Amino acid sequence: LAKTTQPISMDSYEGQEVNITCSHNNIATNDYITWYQQFPSQGPRFIIQGYKTKVTNEVASLFIPADRKSSTLSLPRVSLSDTAVYYCLVGNSGNTPLVFGKGTRLSVIA
Amino acid sequence: DGGITQSPKYLFRKEGQNVTLSCEQNLNHDAMYWYRQDPGQGLRLIYYSQIVNDFQKGDIAEGYSVSREKKESFPLTVTSAQKNPTAFYLCASSTSREGPDTQYFGPGTRLTVL
Repeated sequence: LAKTTQPISMDSYEGQEVNITCSHNNIATNDYITWYQQFPSQGPRFIIQGYKTKVTNEVASLFIPADRKSSTLSLPRVSLSDTAVYYCLVGNSGNTPLVFGKGTRLSVIA
Repeated sequence: DGGITQSPKYLFRKEGQNVTLSCEQNLNHDAMYWYRQDPGQGLRLIYYSQIVNDFQKGDIAEGYSVSREKKESFPLTVTSAQKNPTAFYLCASSTSREGPDTQYFGPGTRLTVL
């Protein structure tokens, strides 16, 4: 499994765009990059997944450079409700367990 | 509504007692998982099951047991052999019909040993 490295914590003011970068130097050719969001005392929630270039959905955007050794989760105009822990995962598994690191704790300040 | 339910949300146990955490899903998912989360930490895998009547140990299976008699249900028993059971327990499920690394999580059960 490819190891991922992401910042332990980040702070942001409401209304700003937040970019969280994840490093995954050993990503395999058939690996995908997946991000989960976890609010306190809740289970993680899938937010976005990509393989290359850019993926956008109603929640976030995911930017993946050509070498795929890193990726950036972009949250537009964050609000207080975006305060959560964000996990970056790299893999290609179907029904197999996920490996979670400590994630990035995002705190949004009014 | 389709989803995963866990019960109870909060559970208190005296030392030396076994306790069973419930996990049910109506998503028709083949695979189910149990993770444990300690404060400020990521999730650690306890057990998982890819098919009914079969399951595999995860990284921290000691002191826990599971069963998978039905596709919809994957209960976790925390036994008295688990030395430090106070934690937040999360159940998840997945299907190979969706993208890789895509799991659906329940709301969690917070277990406290008194």
